[in-house]
Amino acid sequence: AQKVTQAQTEISVVEKEDVTLDCVYETRDTTYYLFWYKQPPSGELVFLIRRNSFDEQNEISGRYSWNFQKSTSSFNFTITASQVVDSAVYFCALRGNYGQNFVFGPGTRLSVLP
Amino acid sequence: DTGVSQDPRHKITKRGQNVTFRCDPISEHNRLYWYRQTLGQGPEFLTYFQNEAQLEKSRLLSDRFSAERPKGSFSTLEIQRTEQGDSAMYLCASSLEGSKNIQYFGAGTRLSVL
Repeated sequence: AQKVTQAQTEISVVEKEDVTLDCVYETRDTTYYLFWYKQPPSGELVFLIRRNSFDEQNEISGRYSWNFQKSTSSFNFTITASQVVDSAVYFCALRGNYGQNFVFGPGTRLSVLP
Repeated sequence: DTGVSQDPRHKITKRGQNVTFRCDPISEHNRLYWYRQTLGQGPEFLTYFQNEAQLEKSRLLSDRFSAERPKGSFSTLEIQRTEQGDSAMYLCASSLEGSKNIQYFGAGTRLSVL
């Protein structure tokens, strides 16, 4: 069975603080794919990043960075110098090697206060 | 480039009634997915189409639920004899085969069963 855990239900930070959202996954597949999506108050999920299991390089995109560690089955997401517009629910998701069944975590609600 | 469209955005119905939702994917996308999202949870996979073929169905998809994609373009999700437990946001997503499985989501249809 595949599972995604996001232990932080809600996080509040003050603007310009850095914040890390945790994601821990479980899968028996040796090939798998990890994703992060953002769901702003408008409700539409927005794709942020995709990572396959063979690519453990960390990635940085502007103020966003991702730390993938297979040894701990984690795929954490850091926002540097947070802004009010970053306020949203963030979901980590996993797709195994077989089929198209995406498993989403329960999400972390991030509130960035001015 | 229009995104994924879902109609209606909101639906209120009485228990026992049938409802149908429509999803129009991004035009060149051949893969289409349905998810259900309840308050405070991540999306749960319901079913997946590749072109007009329904290739995967979740155990969550009871026999009251049926989905179609007759011409490989838009899709419909029907719920028969609705129950209060069916109240949720129903999300549609689409992707293009070979595009790293990145799914693009619609804004969803919020169903309230009274």
